[in-house]
Amino acid sequence: LAKTTQPISMDSYEGQEVNITCSHNNIATNDYITWYQQFPSQGPRFIIQGYKTKVTNEVASLFIPADRKSSTLSLPRVSLSDTAVYYCLVGVRGNFNKFYFGSGTKLNVKP
Amino acid sequence: SAVISQKPSRDICQRGTSLTIQCQVDSQVTMMFWYRQQPGQSLTLIATANQGSEATYESGFVIDKFPISRPNLTFSTLTVSNMSPEDSSIYLCSVEGGGGQYTFGSGTRLTVV
Repeated sequence: LAKTTQPISMDSYEGQEVNITCSHNNIATNDYITWYQQFPSQGPRFIIQGYKTKVTNEVASLFIPADRKSSTLSLPRVSLSDTAVYYCLVGVRGNFNKFYFGSGTKLNVKP
Repeated sequence: SAVISQKPSRDICQRGTSLTIQCQVDSQVTMMFWYRQQPGQSLTLIATANQGSEATYESGFVIDKFPISRPNLTFSTLTVSNMSPEDSSIYLCSVEGGGGQYTFGSGTRLTVV
């Protein structure tokens, strides 16, 4: 199983773009990269998922270089409500596959 | 995506007792996953529960301590047995809701005194 490495914490200010990078050097061919967001006292919530290049949805963008050994979650114009822990997970999609969480990145957005 | 109802949301229990946590899913799913999140830490996978068979436990977790039931495709329970203060954590269930997106319950915050 591919192990992920993320910064433990990041600080930002409201209105800024935040980029959180995740390293997954031993990602396998069939692995997807998925990011989750967790607020205190809540379960993690799916943000975005990708396999290669760039994926964008209404919440974030995910950039994946050609070698797929890292990925970057980009949050445009963050607000105070984006203060949360962000987890990068790598694994094969499907109902029979379990995921292991890394340490996550605690994003603190300041006014 | 699937919706999970998890209860209780929190409980305070005496050491030596047991607590059973329930997760109800609004659709049928083959696998349900149980996680533990200790204070200030990431999530740790406890076990995977497949309907009709015994749960598969991760290293460091045993069935006697965390028995799991999976009576049908929409429901599972996790019991924390013979609790000690070290079991104080948030316990979460999860299912794959389609497209590789996993949905989590809101968690059960357990405090053992």
